[in-house]
Amino acid sequence: DAGVIQSPRHEVTEMGQEVTLRCKPISGHDYLFWYRQTMMRGLELLIYFNNNVPIDDSGMPEDRFSAKMPNASFSTLKIQPSEPRDSAVYFCASSLTHTQYFGPGTRLTVL
Amino acid sequence: GQQLNQSPQSMFIQEGEDVSMNCTSSSIFNTWLWYKQDPGEGPVLLIALYKAGELTSNGRLTAQFGITRKDSFLNISASIPSDVGIYFCAGQPGGGGSNYKLTFGKGTLLTVNP
Repeated sequence: DAGVIQSPRHEVTEMGQEVTLRCKPISGHDYLFWYRQTMMRGLELLIYFNNNVPIDDSGMPEDRFSAKMPNASFSTLKIQPSEPRDSAVYFCASSLTHTQYFGPGTRLTVL
Repeated sequence: GQQLNQSPQSMFIQEGEDVSMNCTSSSIFNTWLWYKQDPGEGPVLLIALYKAGELTSNGRLTAQFGITRKDSFLNISASIPSDVGIYFCAGQPGGGGSNYKLTFGKGTLLTVNP
């Protein structure tokens, strides 16, 4: 298996622009998690899905953030409009049970 | 919410030395996990612990699930340069459903001097 796939690996955008991050979980995994990692706050869970349904979005910072999972093999995290404080590494992870497998992350820089 | 205190924040050691790091929690977890993150990559699972008191090894790594279920430690023996990275503990309430959420510690940055 190719593992969790994320794209793009790097994204540089200007404040106010829309950003879409993409994730393909490991085939057969029914849980998908979106995390944000910063030096100040470490790894934070933003939202997670079970069987394509959002279960807990309490970590989503504000309404500018939204996530979807239209099918079992694809999820997006969208930021609109983006702000400089959104700069971070965003990870997607998937799991079948306890063990979460992380993707390589998307490094987002908002200028 | 739940918080994990991971220590030390960073360690600088000589190759061949043993390393120990730990995590404590304000609440109980039913599963403890230890991850390692290399630069530019996502965290990779090293060891998973499922029972209080459990001691588990993975090569030179040994981890224990504390009896109180509020702490865990990770030991690395005979460190080598490729052990460099950030080590994270993570706790999970367990039981399925929403209890698959992980709470992460802030990480321990390990530097190994050859």
